[in-house]
Amino acid sequence: ETGVTQTPRHLVMGMTNKKSLKCEQHLGHNAMYWYKQSAKKPLELMFVYSLEERVENNSVPSRFSPECPNSSHLFLHLHTLQPEDSALYLCASSHEGQGSPLHFGNGTRLTVT
Amino acid sequence: GDSVTQMEGPVTLSEEAFLTINCTYTATGYPSLFWYVQYPGEGLQLLLKATKADDKGSNKGFEATYRKETTSFHLEKGSVQVSDSAVYFCALSDRIDYKLSFGAGTTVTVRA
Repeated sequence: ETGVTQTPRHLVMGMTNKKSLKCEQHLGHNAMYWYKQSAKKPLELMFVYSLEERVENNSVPSRFSPECPNSSHLFLHLHTLQPEDSALYLCASSHEGQGSPLHFGNGTRLTVT
Repeated sequence: GDSVTQMEGPVTLSEEAFLTINCTYTATGYPSLFWYVQYPGEGLQLLLKATKADDKGSNKGFEATYRKETTSFHLEKGSVQVSDSAVYFCALSDRIDYKLSFGAGTTVTVRA
């Protein structure tokens, strides 16, 4: 149990579908993150929320839409994805501040067909 | 900007062998340094960290020392086990915006 729970673990969707990834943490952290992990590529930071405000958006295409309704929950809404968006999507949380480690969920393995 | 470079894998070892994974960094200030590990089918877990020069982080038999003079944070373990098979990521946290920068990851396979 990592303290950060992601659902679903696996998702297969067509390019015209709309789906959402969910992340939940009960560690009392005030920052949450979405990362994309693709084969043979470095971890890509997508979005950062601090105190429920988005503070980072790393040029992510608009077909990815994050939502942070409160400090314990984070969503990634997906629509009209492309096959190259197939990857492992990792959620993480932390106390904001240098030296504070990230706590990761086990990820959602997304396949776009 | 800040960046981390770690040795490319994959690395394949026999049980009880010595493991070293090199990591060097580029940063404008004095970052905090981390090693994360990702076991198959799981997310990343913090393995160890060091927040200032000459600090040594250690956990589960792994060690890494923050070397400011060589801007390095090499990971070592004296005797690996099959259960250490995983992907290892070096990372740094900038002192200004606390953003975490990851290396590309090194896949380690330990054979019995």
